[in-house]
Amino acid sequence: GAVVSQHPSRVICKSGTSVKIECRSLDFQATTMFWYRQFPKQSLMLMATSNEGSKATYEQGVEKDKFLINHASLTLSTLTVTSAHPEDSSFYICSASGLAGGMRDTQYFGPGTRLTVL
Amino acid sequence: SQQGEEDPQALSIQEGENATMNCSYKTSINNLQWYRQNSGRGLVHLILIRSNEREKHSGRLRVTLDTSKKSSSLLITASRAADTASYFCATAASGTYKYIFGTGTRLKVLA
Repeated sequence: GAVVSQHPSRVICKSGTSVKIECRSLDFQATTMFWYRQFPKQSLMLMATSNEGSKATYEQGVEKDKFLINHASLTLSTLTVTSAHPEDSSFYICSASGLAGGMRDTQYFGPGTRLTVL
Repeated sequence: SQQGEEDPQALSIQEGENATMNCSYKTSINNLQWYRQNSGRGLVHLILIRSNEREKHSGRLRVTLDTSKKSSSLLITASRAADTASYFCATAASGTYKYIFGTGTRLKVLA
């Protein structure tokens, strides 16, 4: 149980285009989803926290107009990288926390999406 | 930065040996979790230890938590080549469910 999927797993795009990444909780309802980015051989940096039906909360230094987050349902959150540039190339990982009990404490991670902007 | 620190940054051991990784953090926490990440992959949850617990076991894993020193350790016993991965600790400050990840330890287990 507690499976989180991400789509696509890998995307290559041209500079200036927008890319949407989906994060789905497959077998549980996720009240909160988190988006992270990770540069090679570095740790995960939290970008934003999204709660279903409300606006995402962005971490300091993360441009909300650049990284659009939508959490339209209890099983789906999307991250759109708008007007992507080469410096946006990174590994993006989402995680989800459930509604009740122990699932609120644990984050379940998706497999990640590797974005390469040419 | 609120990011936790882990040491060592990299660790290379022989199969069968034990591996110990340490994590230090800066704020009061609800709990601390350890995750594993294979190269270029997502994270796998290993173990959660709550702030009122001092030690926890799961299979070959042993985690300790010292809230007075704001530190935790992860011990992997009888390591295997398949344990080769990066290991991260993550902490949630008291009153939040937002986790901050440590800098990570890259473990290599040689067969």
